[in-house]
Amino acid sequence: ETGVTQSPTHLIKTRGQQVTLRCSSQSGHNTVSWYQQALGQGPQFIFQYYREEENGRGNFPPRFSGLQFPNYSSELNVNALELDDSALYLCASSSPSGGARTDTQYFGPGTRLTVL
Amino acid sequence: AQTVTQSQPEMSVQEAETVTLSCTYDTSESDYYLFWYKQPPSRQMILVIRQEAYKQQNATENRFSVNFQKAAKSFSLKISDSQLGDAAMYFCAYRSRGGTASKLTFGTGTRLQVTL
Repeated sequence: ETGVTQSPTHLIKTRGQQVTLRCSSQSGHNTVSWYQQALGQGPQFIFQYYREEENGRGNFPPRFSGLQFPNYSSELNVNALELDDSALYLCASSSPSGGARTDTQYFGPGTRLTVL
Repeated sequence: AQTVTQSQPEMSVQEAETVTLSCTYDTSESDYYLFWYKQPPSRQMILVIRQEAYKQQNATENRFSVNFQKAAKSFSLKISDSQLGDAAMYFCAYRSRGGTASKLTFGTGTRLQVTL
């Protein structure tokens, strides 16, 4: 069974640029959630995708957008980058219809984004 | 909105000893899940243990157990026979059982140091 993977591992961008982060969900999972973790903080929910549709969103501006593909992999796009967007971005996959064990969210290793 | 509070920014335990990490939460819901995740320096968020609110029995996973007090809205994690590999940030998280998005709400974390 393949776990959750994310790419790239690290990324450096400058203010105003755009970035795309990628996530491959764990085998058998149809739901992907994205979180932003600022230094020294707990992760904050950005949004969730279920079967290619956005299924809930946290308190993040519209310049944070996403996609989910038919194979359940997902992208997080951030436009007009700001310095405060510097953080660890985590994705987690789950399968709410699969019972208790698969209802749990399993995380990838994260992408460290630095905005200069 | 639900909130999760971890009042211990740092804890220290000697190898082979027992340590308890505290977590309190606030919610008006009666059915939900609670989790403890571990985040080592490698950054990957790893599930430690999960508790369903409707279950009165405290969850146990090997050396890890919880003390779930629903009325007090308290969810502490006990680590027995601590090992050097237990050193990490530990996050308590809450998830509603209902609703369209199964987002996790995290606390700010407790850094656990394990000494020889």
